[in-house]
Amino acid sequence: SYVLTQPPSVSVAPGKTARITCGGNNIESKSVHWYQQKPGQAPIMIIYYDYDRPSGIPERFSGSNSGNTATLTISRVEAGDEADYYCQVWDSSSAHRVFGTGTKVTVL
Amino acid sequence: QVQLVQSGAELKKPGASVKVSCKASGYTFTSYDINWVRQATGQGLEWMGWMNPNNDNTGYAQKFQGRVTMTRDTSISTAYMELSSLRSEDTAVYYCARTVGSGSDLDYWGQGTLVTVSS
Repeated sequence: SYVLTQPPSVSVAPGKTARITCGGNNIESKSVHWYQQKPGQAPIMIIYYDYDRPSGIPERFSGSNSGNTATLTISRVEAGDEADYYCQVWDSSSAHRVFGTGTKVTVL
Repeated sequence: QVQLVQSGAELKKPGASVKVSCKASGYTFTSYDINWVRQATGQGLEWMGWMNPNNDNTGYAQKFQGRVTMTRDTSISTAYMELSSLRSEDTAVYYCARTVGSGSDLDYWGQGTLVTVSS
C-alpha cells in the first residue's frame, strides 16, 4: 500500500517560516491535500490539489509538489498556527485514500 | 452553509456493533460522496471508506472489509457507518467528511463521534 511519511514535529519561532514535508513514491503524480487539526477539533482542509487554497485560508499557507516530496509552507508563522498537519492523497492502485503520519507544529 | 452533524458519543462492549450517523445540510446530499475517517487518541487520521449517496456504491479500506458497512437514507440526507465485532482498538473519534470524487479533498467534516469500546 502507498505510504506517506511526515516528520513527527516541526518547531518554528513566530514570524518565521515552517516547512512540512510529505514523502511518497513519485508523489508528484498524485494530487496532495493538506489538513490542519487543532486539539479537540475536527480537521479542516487548508490546501487542495497541491497548492490551491480554499476561501478563508490565509495566503501565508502554500503548497508545492515535486518528485517524491510535497511541501506545506507556512510563512510568517503565528501562535494560532500551532496544530497537527496531515497530507493526504488518493492511491488509485488500491482505490484508497491515504493520510500522512502527521506533523505537530510548535510555535516557540 | 454546508454542515455535517454527527450523532452523539457511544459506549459499547467488545463484540458489539455501533452505528454512527452523519446528517448533511446546506447542499445537495446526493452530489457528494461521504467518507469516514477515524482517529484514536493521540494518533493520526485513518481512512475507513466512502459511500456515494446517489447510487449507494461503496469502497472500504482493506483493513475494515467485512466489518464496516456504509449506508444512507436520502429522504433525510443522512449517512451511516456501522462497525461490527468491536474491540478495544476501535476506541476512537469517528468523522464523516464530504468529497466530490475519488481524487478530491475532504472539504467539509463532521464534528466527530467518540466511540468507546470497553467491558
